[in-house]
Amino acid sequence: GDSVTQMEGPVTLSEEACLTINCTYTATGYPSLFWYVQYPGEGLQLLLKATKADDKGSNKGFEATYRKETTSFHLEKGSVQVSDSAVYFCALIPPSGNQFYFGTGTSLTVIP
Amino acid sequence: DVKVTQSSRYLVKRTGEKVFLECVQDMDHENMFWYRQDPGLGLRLIYFSYDVKMKEKGDIPEGYSVSREKKERFSLILESASTNQTSMYLCASSLGNLVTGPQHFGDGTRLSIL
Repeated sequence: GDSVTQMEGPVTLSEEACLTINCTYTATGYPSLFWYVQYPGEGLQLLLKATKADDKGSNKGFEATYRKETTSFHLEKGSVQVSDSAVYFCALIPPSGNQFYFGTGTSLTVIP
Repeated sequence: DVKVTQSSRYLVKRTGEKVFLECVQDMDHENMFWYRQDPGLGLRLIYFSYDVKMKEKGDIPEGYSVSREKKERFSLILESASTNQTSMYLCASSLGNLVTGPQHFGDGTRLSIL
């Protein structure tokens, strides 16, 4: 069935370090792919999305490219800030578009 | 801005009680969802609804029911609460097309069953 696998956390980085959070997916056809972010004490917010192969989603300095050949949608940021500390969720919607499938979440802590 | 409001941030109930979690959205969204969030398991879909009085089971509906009598309100009901239902519960809503419209989440209800 459809599923998302993302890297285990927690991840701890120093401010201005580079970030990559890996996400791979299993789906039939071409799903739409998403990254959500959950700041402490809050619900999830959409960070970025890509709806077809080779699309790049970007927002707040974060980027992710939809790679059909490797079934991946890795989240990257060149220089993280303390305010980026949060839990990040990769998610997909299959072509049937009936529900989201979320990864288990990756906790990121950025230290000054 | 879309607002999804969950009635309680924290709730403590006893085993066997009937528990109601309420969610209201203010943007006339067709779709509403209930998830539970547990460490190491991510978000798991309990129930969702495409329209008033319509409901669909998600991945883990056992022990839960839902009610959607009005478009803006989606209630999650624990018929007889058990300790394994201690969790964070998240409500979300979205426009008709899930692909083009993101899900908007409430801040969550942290439920403890004693």
